[in-house]
Amino acid sequence: GQSLEQPSEVTAVEGAIVQINCTYQTSGFYGLSWYQQHDGGAPTFLSYNALDGLEETGRFSSFLSRSDSYGYLLLQELQMKDSASYFCAVRGLNSGGGADGLTFGKGTHLIIQP
Amino acid sequence: DSGVTQTPKHLITATGQRVTLRCSPRSGDLSVYWYQQSLDQGLQFLIQYYNGEERAKGNILERFSAQQFPDLHSELNLSSLELGDSALYFCASSVEGRDSYEQYFGPGTRLTVT
Repeated sequence: GQSLEQPSEVTAVEGAIVQINCTYQTSGFYGLSWYQQHDGGAPTFLSYNALDGLEETGRFSSFLSRSDSYGYLLLQELQMKDSASYFCAVRGLNSGGGADGLTFGKGTHLIIQP
Repeated sequence: DSGVTQTPKHLITATGQRVTLRCSPRSGDLSVYWYQQSLDQGLQFLIQYYNGEERAKGNILERFSAQQFPDLHSELNLSSLELGDSALYFCASSVEGRDSYEQYFGPGTRLTVT
């Protein structure tokens, strides 16, 4: 099966940089994804890493180290609208050897202070 | 707007009852996924359909079933409802294959069992 660990809550200041870490255990690996979810809203896709290294998309970057089973999401120039929950997710292998649905971490609630 | 639609938005029903949740994927997406989100269990993968056939199964109870129709819309059937089934149910869709790590979530159906 799959399991992911991420901090339950992180607090940061508007305009600053924050890093949300994620460690995972999975049988088979199709990459690490990150999703954002505002209160009462649907998860929305942010980024994906299949290979080691850093992927940058605007103010958001995501990093993966497959040897360490570790990744992080980096948010720069924080804005109040970034206050949300952030989930890391993996898509492993099911018992039939095919790709499974996403397994999500419990989510990190990011609080932005002015 | 992700392009994924779900109905109804809210559903209130009694224990022991049966309900059907409906999802229409984004145009062109062949895969549909169902997820359950609750405070204690987090966001959990239930089941995936691809082009009308079941592709992967997650933590779906035997009281729950789903299907995907020829027009690619999907329905999730929940029966013999219990108080613990109260949750937010999301449908997501993706283009299977290389981009399947990126899933587009609908707005969700909030189910309350009383």
